[in-house]
Amino acid sequence: DSGVTQTPKHLITATGQRVTLRCSPRSGDLSVYWYQQSLDQGLQFLIQYYNGEERAKGNILERFSAQQFPDLHSELNLSSLELGDSALYFCASSVATGLRFGSSGANVLTFGAGSRLTVL
Amino acid sequence: SQQGEEDPQALSIQEGENATMNCSYKTSINNLQWYRQNSGRGLVHLILIRSNEREKHSGRLRVTLDTSKKSSSLLITASRAADTASYFCANSGYALNFGKGTSLLVTP
Repeated sequence: DSGVTQTPKHLITATGQRVTLRCSPRSGDLSVYWYQQSLDQGLQFLIQYYNGEERAKGNILERFSAQQFPDLHSELNLSSLELGDSALYFCASSVATGLRFGSSGANVLTFGAGSRLTVL
Repeated sequence: SQQGEEDPQALSIQEGENATMNCSYKTSINNLQWYRQNSGRGLVHLILIRSNEREKHSGRLRVTLDTSKKSSSLLITASRAADTASYFCANSGYALNFGKGTSLLVTP
């Protein structure tokens, strides 16, 4: 157990639907990161939050949104789902500083077990 | 792109052999990290090498970094079947972006 908890583990839904993935970071970690992993695209960075604020944005579609709550858990919302959104979605956390990711040194990520989304 | 690119894409060896995988990146780095992913599981951090280091060891792992060539290598010595996994490098000069990984298969 890495200490990062993701729910649900598996999710099957239909095109056009909306889902919410949830992540609880490891105790003491203030930063949360979301990644999407599919066979053809590899592991894609989506977005990072630090202590409730968005810190970095990657290849996140406009149909996707995320937030980090005061208790530091995070949710990734995926809407108007398409077949191509089927993937493993990972959450990771780190004890990141408030500075831009990496600027103050190392940020080692602890990953959750992932949420497997299947869009039919 | 700030992501690392691993090479080869796939590697198959027998137990006891050494496995070497390479990573290239395009931008300057603060440090470079290597992660392992067992099939369908989350990534696990293996080792971090800072930009002012040239080589680092951790157990059976040896990582080198050549900042002039913007490349790193991960060597796993005396491989075991349990080392079968995908291995990713990540350049943490900015957001941690990963490549597509090297898929390592170690057969008994």
